[in-house]
Amino acid sequence: EPEVTQTPSHQVTQMGQEVILRCVPISNHLYFYWYRQILGQKVEFLVSFYNNEISEKSEIFDDQFSVERPDGSNFTLKIRSTKLEDSAMYFCASSPNPGEPNEKLFFGSGTQLSVL
Amino acid sequence: QKEVEQNSGPLSVPEGAIASLNCTYSDRGSQSFFWYRQYSGKSPELIMSIYSNGDKEDGRFTAQLNKASQYVSLLIRDSQPSDSATYLCAASYGGSQGNLIFGKGTKLSVKP
Repeated sequence: EPEVTQTPSHQVTQMGQEVILRCVPISNHLYFYWYRQILGQKVEFLVSFYNNEISEKSEIFDDQFSVERPDGSNFTLKIRSTKLEDSAMYFCASSPNPGEPNEKLFFGSGTQLSVL
Repeated sequence: QKEVEQNSGPLSVPEGAIASLNCTYSDRGSQSFFWYRQYSGKSPELIMSIYSNGDKEDGRFTAQLNKASQYVSLLIRDSQPSDSATYLCAASYGGSQGNLIFGKGTKLSVKP
């Protein structure tokens, strides 16, 4: 079965540093997402991306966050100046067309970000 | 504030029993509802989706939706130890079914 791949699986950074989390969505998918899960907390929606632009973002996705699809395969999340509270598991997800009933959201295995 | 609420558990059932998981949601505009299974340290895995009032069955799993009560449930029949995981309820919002609000999850433990 095709899968969403994320790299790295673990990222450790110092507070104030920039990080880029990388994702390769499933090749024929059109919609891309980032979610995060702080340890012991809910999975939280960050942003959705379609047709090379953000379609929706949550309150968490402030000016410190940005997303990009730099080429035909990668989808990245950049955190400009990391804070301690950014420590979380970050999940990338993709979907062929979530407007259609029964369309499935495919999650990657996640990147565990630790900000020290 | 859009919310999905679940009893965090843990819910403990013996092997072979029926496990019943429940959630409520606050946004009446939500149209699609999902149950995900998440093993510790892993990503969510979709088990069931439901869009219409009533029941939807898939193997050992049955999802139930009551939009008037804003209530979603998941029944797992013939529970197995491998079903032990955290079960996340999610509701869609906004223009895309991929924009999901998750509950905190119910931890299920199936005892052999």
